[in-house]
Amino acid sequence: DTAVSQTPKYLVTQMGNDKSIKCEQNLGHDTMYWYKQDSKKFLKIMFSYNNKELIINETVPNRFSPKSPDKAHLNLHINSLELGDSAVYFCASSQRGLMIRNTEAFFGQGTRLTVV
Amino acid sequence: DAKTTQPPSMDCAEGRAANLPCNHSTISGNEYVYWYRQIHSQGPQYIIHGLKNNETNEMASLIITEDRKSSTLILPHATLRDTAVYYCIVRSFQKLVFGTGTRLLVSP
Repeated sequence: DTAVSQTPKYLVTQMGNDKSIKCEQNLGHDTMYWYKQDSKKFLKIMFSYNNKELIINETVPNRFSPKSPDKAHLNLHINSLELGDSAVYFCASSQRGLMIRNTEAFFGQGTRLTVV
Repeated sequence: DAKTTQPPSMDCAEGRAANLPCNHSTISGNEYVYWYRQIHSQGPQYIIHGLKNNETNEMASLIITEDRKSSTLILPHATLRDTAVYYCIVRSFQKLVFGTGTRLLVSP
């Protein structure tokens, strides 16, 4: 059973389109994250949700809108896609936002988004 | 956010210990040091974390200096499958802030 799963794994789309990436975790965690890894392989946090509530928003354009229908899901919707949005997007989850001692974040396998 | 500094790349012979250093001189007293690795664009994989004591698990050991300004990740018997980018991270306000990491190449 995959702990953190993302769909789709690959996404190729044209500029200006709207697309969504889905993430689900079966670890019983209450905190989920979206990270973006650009072409230079730099991993940067975008959002974090705790119990369906947004707690971290790292200066991401408002074309990106995360949605958390429940603790186990955090979807990422992107409007009006631009070439610069091409990247690998990783979803992750953890318990209580990493604030308890022995906890770590688990990452999904990523969604490679290519905007043409 | 506390910043970490790692060498961009390291080599290690298969079967030997790999010692990956990390400097985090601006770390504050309650910030944990985490290590993750990323194998060929897969999702980052958790390795180990610690606060001030040395830690060991089935994957690796983490040695943190007494002043907490640096740490070393030790893979005791590196294998070819340990070739990856290793990230040293200081956890900051409920998030993991990744640096540029060390690309470890394990060779036969």
